[in-house]
Amino acid sequence: GAVVSQHPSWVICKSGTSVKIECRSLDFQATTMFWYRQFPKQSLMLMATSNEGSKATYEQGVEKDKFLINHASLTLSTLTVTSAHPEDSSFYICSASGGYNEKLFFGSGTQLSVL
Amino acid sequence: GENVEQHPSTLSVQEGDSAVIKCTYSDSASNYFPWYKQELGKRPQLIIDIRSNVGEKKDQRIAVTLNKTAKHFSLHITETQPEDSAVYFCAAGDNDMRFGAGTRLTVKP
Repeated sequence: GAVVSQHPSWVICKSGTSVKIECRSLDFQATTMFWYRQFPKQSLMLMATSNEGSKATYEQGVEKDKFLINHASLTLSTLTVTSAHPEDSSFYICSASGGYNEKLFFGSGTQLSVL
Repeated sequence: GENVEQHPSTLSVQEGDSAVIKCTYSDSASNYFPWYKQELGKRPQLIIDIRSNVGEKKDQRIAVTLNKTAKHFSLHITETQPEDSAVYFCAAGDNDMRFGAGTRLTVKP
């Protein structure tokens, strides 16, 4: 299947700092990318959907000013957790799709720990 | 929006037995139903998927069935092996997917 690369795989930061997570589609053009949050032993919760060149669509309850998403090219989307707090600690994972109704391929995830 | 329910939350079977996981969805517009396997700390991996114009699909020991009228779909794993142990997620949607809560499958040798 297609390859989606996500970096970093883990990050530890101090409360109040910002963290940027990158998601890249390596061998296909991702017209749509998705960002999820996953707590231990729980399912994937969709945070936002981003289409290349346009603003992300956030799910209800997700603060768009806190979780900044940029999808500037067909191969790269970034999630920035601004002014991170301990409650933001979680596993963040992206997925990418080549188009409407196309298969989803997942990044390897980023474990964020905010001290 | 779409709401996906998945059962059971945990499933333990003996090696060689079959395992069945069921999901229901709410949005009749959903037309794509993938299943993912996630091992601890790793990314979900697509194992099989089905689209709404098909009722059943099989890939070796794995099969998925879809009943659009009843809005439910199921994953069937036959001749289970210890390496099948993982968390399995169903999903439903069209452009953006909604995931079930997951099923932790344990295959005992």
